[in-house]
Amino acid sequence: QVQLVESGGGLVKPGGSLRLSCEASGFTFSDYYMSWIRQAPGKGLEWISQISSSNSYTNYAESVKGRFTIFRDNAKNLLYLQMNSLRAEDTAVYYCASDSYGFDYWGQGTLVTVSS
Amino acid sequence: EIVMTQSPATLSVSPGERATLSCRASQSVNSNLAWYQQKPGQAPRLLIYGASTRATGIPAGFSGGGSGTEFTLTISSLQSEDLAVYYCQQYNNWPRTFGQGTKVEI
Repeated sequence: QVQLVESGGGLVKPGGSLRLSCEASGFTFSDYYMSWIRQAPGKGLEWISQISSSNSYTNYAESVKGRFTIFRDNAKNLLYLQMNSLRAEDTAVYYCASDSYGFDYWGQGTLVTVSS
Repeated sequence: EIVMTQSPATLSVSPGERATLSCRASQSVNSNLAWYQQKPGQAPRLLIYGASTRATGIPAGFSGGGSGTEFTLTISSLQSEDLAVYYCQQYNNWPRTFGQGTKVEI
């Protein structure tokens, strides 16, 4: 069955960096666009980035543009989110999701806490 | 940016009753509208895409309707396991945007 497993979250100081990973299985990863979506504690959902199936096209929310980078390794079925210049307002659970007509499949999420 | 507005914020329904959730877009999103269910402590799950097409494995008790700027999600007969927050999301324009959610209480 389809499985997406995020990792790499944790506690980081403001201004620091973190790289999240998402391991995909149970489907042909290289055929799918993928996105990262986050959810601040007790809040709603915010889409933050998308990458095309072939790694050739990316899109970002204004809130993370210039600080976050999405990329993927189709040979390893891995999706990444490199997060730099982190701020307190980036504190959230980060989900990866397959992206076709809506976000079909989601991982369980990984918590990123930005605090001094 | 397209703003998605959901109503009501909280919906209290008795078991077996019908629940209707609304979602309004600030401009037309055609039928590029999805609904998600998020149970406490879990990741969201896709229920509906294309405004009215049920995702794989979603029971027939969930139905979506509407197009343009007005959309609804209907749960025909509410069960205790339907306790959740429901989000709408448009994928017609960038950035992809979500509504603020409707919490369904039993």
